[in-house]
Parts: sequence; structure tokens; C-alpha cells
Amino acid sequence: AQSVAQPEDQVNVAEGNPLTVKCTYSVSGNPYLFWYVQYPNRGLQFLLKYITGDNLVKGSYGFEAEFNKSQTSFHLKKPSALVSDSALYFCAVRDYGSSNTGKLIFGQGTTLQVKP
Amino acid sequence: KAGVTQTPRYLIKTRGQQVTLSCSPISGHRSVSWYQQTPGQGLQFLFEYFSETQRNKGNFPGRFSGRQFSNSRSEMNVSTLELGDSALYLCASSLASGSTYEQYFGPGTRLTVT
Repeated sequence: AQSVAQPEDQVNVAEGNPLTVKCTYSVSGNPYLFWYVQYPNRGLQFLLKYITGDNLVKGSYGFEAEFNKSQTSFHLKKPSALVSDSALYFCAVRDYGSSNTGKLIFGQGTTLQVKP
Repeated sequence: KAGVTQTPRYLIKTRGQQVTLSCSPISGHRSVSWYQQTPGQGLQFLFEYFSETQRNKGNFPGRFSGRQFSNSRSEMNVSTLELGDSALYLCASSLASGSTYEQYFGPGTRLTVT
């Protein structure tokens, strides 16, 4: 069965410093991976996805993610954190057991706290 | 282009009642998925509809049902509400059904069951 793990419940970083939010996955085939962000009382906003191609994927708001097949990881990164980046971040993988449907399997989420 | 809209945004119901939630996808999007978000279980897939057909269903009891209309709008229904059904229900739309399409989420409907 496909699964996603976000090993850190919370990540704290100072404004201006680089940030990393970790994600590891387990899939039976080629992974289709996604990152979403959720602000309080809001739905999820799509940040970026990896389907195939370059291991470094660039997304919205200056975020990027690095796909590492050997380590089965898809960490979210940003070179310089902003206070406004503080939110709940979800990593997700497409469920291959669902015959190419849109079902996403989400990690438990990581709260990012950026302090001024 | 307008985003995914969900109505109502907040709902308070009593145990045993039923509820219907509505989702209007982004214009041109034909696939709609529903997710339940709770602090304990996180985000869990409920079902996905494409061209008025249910393509996939999550591990939820039969009290949870949904449908999609010809204009791609979708509704989900929960009958005989239980306290544990209190959650944020999120709707997501995508251009089509398939592994590579990203999903765009609405703001959610916050359901409280008392």
C-alpha cells in the first residue's frame, strides 16, 4: 500500500534562513508526489508536484522540492523563509491502487513556524 | 478564474440528522474529490467523481454518499450523523481524473455534530 510520512510535527526556523520540510514515501511504482499548504481556516493550496523529469521541482511562492529516488524522499525547501510562510504543510502521493484515479494519500502534516 | 467554492462554510447539526454539502469546481474541471480532515485522522479520501460517475471510494461507511451533476458540481450527503463526523470536509477539483493532475481545494465546510 502507498504511504507518506512526515517525520516532524513542527519545524521552527528564523525569518531569512533556509527551511526544509521532510517527506518520505512508499509506493509500488513510479511516485507521483505533491506538496500542499494550509493556512488557518482555509483549504489546501497546491504548491508543486513531481511526476517525472528533473529531480528539483520549482513551485509557487519560491518553494521547491527535491525528489530523491534512492532515499524515497521528497523534501520541501525554500532558500529564505518568510513569516508569512508559517502554515501547515502536507505531502501527498497518488494512490496507485486506485486505477489511475485522483485519490491522494496525505502525510500527517508539518507545522512550519517562522519567527521574525 | 474563480476557485473551488463550497457551501455552506459552517454547519451545526444534531446526532441522527442528515446533511448535504455542496461543491462547485473550477470552470472546466470535470473531476471532483472529497476529503475529510480531522485532528486525529488527518486528511482522508472520501470519494472521487468524474463525468457523473464515482471512480473511487474511500474507507467510509455507507452513511457517506455523493453524486456529481452534469455541470460537474458535486454534493456529498451524510445520513444519521454521529459525533465523530465532526470535521472539515474539503472538496477538490481537477481537470480530469488521473494520477498526474493536481487537485485544487475549496475552503471547506466545517461540520459540527452535537
